[in-house]
Amino acid sequence: RKEVEQDPGPFNVPEGATVAFNCTYSNSASQSFFWYRQDCRKEPKLLMSVYSSGNEDGRFTAQLNRASQYISLLIRDSKLSDSATYLCVVNGRGNNRLAFGKGNQVVVIP
Amino acid sequence: DVKVTQSSRYLVKRTGEKVFLECVQDMDHENMFWYRQDPGLGLRLIYFSYDVKMKEKGDIPEGYSVSREKKERFSLILESASTNQTSMYLCASNPEGGAGTDTQYFGPGTRLTVL
Repeated sequence: RKEVEQDPGPFNVPEGATVAFNCTYSNSASQSFFWYRQDCRKEPKLLMSVYSSGNEDGRFTAQLNRASQYISLLIRDSKLSDSATYLCVVNGRGNNRLAFGKGNQVVVIP
Repeated sequence: DVKVTQSSRYLVKRTGEKVFLECVQDMDHENMFWYRQDPGLGLRLIYFSYDVKMKEKGDIPEGYSVSREKKERFSLILESASTNQTSMYLCASNPEGGAGTDTQYFGPGTRLTVL
């Protein structure tokens, strides 16, 4: 089983709609979870950390389910500028090493 | 603002050449990382370093070496470039406390083509 698994998509989303996707991780001892955003031909940038209690940042909501070992990201009222690849990132191996999913590609359509 | 810079955005080299990719960060971070990113494979860790002159192998170190002589600079070396090393190379850094306590900050990437 891969360390971090994501459905690559693409997720074609009408502007203004809500989109949600999950990511599963294999190491139950993982302690830290993140969502990164990567625009085409650019470097990944932190979108938000994911906390046990769930957290929200504007139109973005992240949830963690430790029992089922998945994290989720929900984007409300999608904007054209939300088009990007969203990478699920987990600290599961210690020694400062992060495990990256392959990303969920989101395309917001006018 | 954290700044991670990489020496080149685009690089074209020939098979067998020795290639140096440089990464510099200006935030006094202890930890630095080199990844490569390929379509369908995501980011894969090549090497990382948690201190000057210290290095650890990542998931795919074969064909690569690294050097960290100064805290702010982490170099990736391809001793003899091959076509299967054509990829996007990303450098990242974060402070002591590690990936568990702090996010990694990425440089803009170097798109390397080996002919």
